[in-house]
This record gives sequence, C-alpha cells and structure tokens, in this order.
Amino acid sequence: KQEVTQIPAALSVPEGENLVLNCSFTDSAIYNLQWFRQDPGKGLTSLLLIQSSQREQTSGRLNASLDKSSGRSTLYIAASQPGDSATYLCAVSTDYKLSFGAGTTVTVRA
Amino acid sequence: EPEVTQTPSHQVTQMGQEVILRCVPISNHLYFYWYRQILGQKVEFLVSFYNNEISEKSEIFDDQFSVERPDGSNFTLKIRSTKLEDSAMYFCASSNGLAGVNEQFFGPGTRLTVL
Repeated sequence: KQEVTQIPAALSVPEGENLVLNCSFTDSAIYNLQWFRQDPGKGLTSLLLIQSSQREQTSGRLNASLDKSSGRSTLYIAASQPGDSATYLCAVSTDYKLSFGAGTTVTVRA
Repeated sequence: EPEVTQTPSHQVTQMGQEVILRCVPISNHLYFYWYRQILGQKVEFLVSFYNNEISEKSEIFDDQFSVERPDGSNFTLKIRSTKLEDSAMYFCASSNGLAGVNEQFFGPGTRLTVL
C-alpha cells in the first residue's frame, strides 16, 4: 500500500522567504505526482504535475522536483507572499488513483 | 477554463437517510473519481469510474455506496443509509486518462453532515 508523508506538518515564514516543502512515498512505481493547494474549507487546486519520467517541473514561482528512485519530491515556492498561506498537498498516482499526504500548512507573515 | 462542479455545496442529513451527491466533470474527460476528506484527516480515494463501470474501489467503498453516470454530463455518488462517520467533505475529480499524464482536476467539494 502506498504511504505518502509530508514534512513539516506546518511552516511559518516571513514574507519574501523561499519555501521548501517535502514529500516522500513508499512505492516508487508511480505514474506521476501532483502538488495541490487547499484553502480552509475549500477544494483542491492543482499546482503542478510531474510525470514519472520527469525530474522537475516549473510554473511561475513554483518548482517541483521528483526523485522517483528514492521516493521523494520537493516543492519550492520562491519569494513567498501572504497569499501563499494555505495547505499544500502532495499526491502520487498509481493505477489512476491518487494517494495523498496529510499536507503542510504554510503561513506567510506580512 | 473548464472546471469540475459539484452540488450541493453543503448537505445535512439524518442518520439512516439516503443522500446523492452530484458532480459535473470536465466535458472531454473519460475518468471520474470520488474522494473524501474527514475533518483533520488525509484525502482518501473512494472509487474510480471509466466506460460506465467501476475501475477500482477502496475498502471504504462498501455496499452502502454506489456511483452512476446517469447521462452524458453528470456523475453521482449515492450513500444508501448514512452513518455518523460518513460526515466528511466529498470531492469529485475527473481526468482525460492519458497514460502517464492523467492530471486529476477536483471540484470544490460537498460538505456532508450526518446528524
């Protein structure tokens, strides 16, 4: 059974600092990995998708890396802003279903 | 930009009652999913649906649950006899199913409260 772990569980940084969010998974036989953003009481917004054959994916201030063999992904958010405050979820895809981590809750202080 | 929609946004029901949660997936997508998130817990997979049949289901998805695509646009989740522990946020998702890509897009969720 795929287990996904996210560290840290919570993070508080001053505005402008770079964020580093970690995700690890136990079964490396994945199709892809998605990073999502979830605001309190809301749905999941897809941020980035990395296919299993890729090492990196970038979108604006977001950059995600994937090391499938070691079962790790890292999401970098450059120059954080208060609007980046949210919970970030990592999810890995096996057989078309997603297995989620518990998330990292980020607070960016103005 | 196309999006997944869900209705209602919030459903309150009495224990033992049947509920139907509705979803309209993105129009050219072929794979449909239901997930749930109990307050404070991880998002959990319930079921995937393709070509008018269930592709995969989790151990949570027991005989009390069923899914249906009644027409070309809607995708529903039915809970026959709700329990207190069914209280959760239920998310519908869809994807185009391209192998190796399969980015899933989620709806805003239906918050189900069972009293």
